Amino acid sequence: AQKITQTQPGMFVQEKEAVTLDCTYDTSDQSYGLFWYKQPSSGEMIFLIYQGSYDEQNATEGRYSLNFQKARKSANLVISASQLGDSAMYFCAMILSNTGNQFYFGTGTSLTVIP
Amino acid sequence: EPEVTQTPSHQVTQMGQEVILRCVPISNHLYFYWYRQILGQKVEFLVSFYNNEISEKSEIFDDQFSVERPDGSNFTLKIRSTKLEDSAMYFCASRPWTRYNPSTDTQYFGPGTRLTVL
Repeated sequence: AQKITQTQPGMFVQEKEAVTLDCTYDTSDQSYGLFWYKQPSSGEMIFLIYQGSYDEQNATEGRYSLNFQKARKSANLVISASQLGDSAMYFCAMILSNTGNQFYFGTGTSLTVIP
Repeated sequence: EPEVTQTPSHQVTQMGQEVILRCVPISNHLYFYWYRQILGQKVEFLVSFYNNEISEKSEIFDDQFSVERPDGSNFTLKIRSTKLEDSAMYFCASRPWTRYNPSTDTQYFGPGTRLTVL
């Protein structure tokens, strides 16, 4: 069963604008963690931001924020003031604390920042 | 900041050959992982490893694959008799605690090894 869904295969954003990348997840567990990773064309996986299921506040890390809506099971990534270097693939992922053994990854969203 | 390292960054091999992908997890981490990403596709879990044994593996991780922690620092993925469809990016990851704590834990990914099977 698909645990992480990213419905936007590709997104474009103007430089300096904000962009939201969608992610919905599926689990009956109460305790889980949600992550966003950035993968540039060089291929490495760069951790961006984390949200725990019990965290009441939305996570923020610099220009990245996570719009966590638990009832809707969504964990959208918001990138403010987009930069050309933000062009990359972005993956949403989930880990369940009961097992904790593996990430479940979405299919990714390719973001292109236009000058 | 400590990081997971992987070697080589790119491995080219002939179909049918054996390859060993190497990873050095972060030193105080206890859980180790291998993931695979076929070009243009999502990242897939292969195997997790704890206390010198496999704790979980996916359907992808068949008899062709094996993992080992030969010493206190390296964590290896061996692929026997490689196939064309094994061409992918292979990521190693590690994390510090045995039981995942969503408030504090994250997995740390290495930069990946790009395997090309000809």
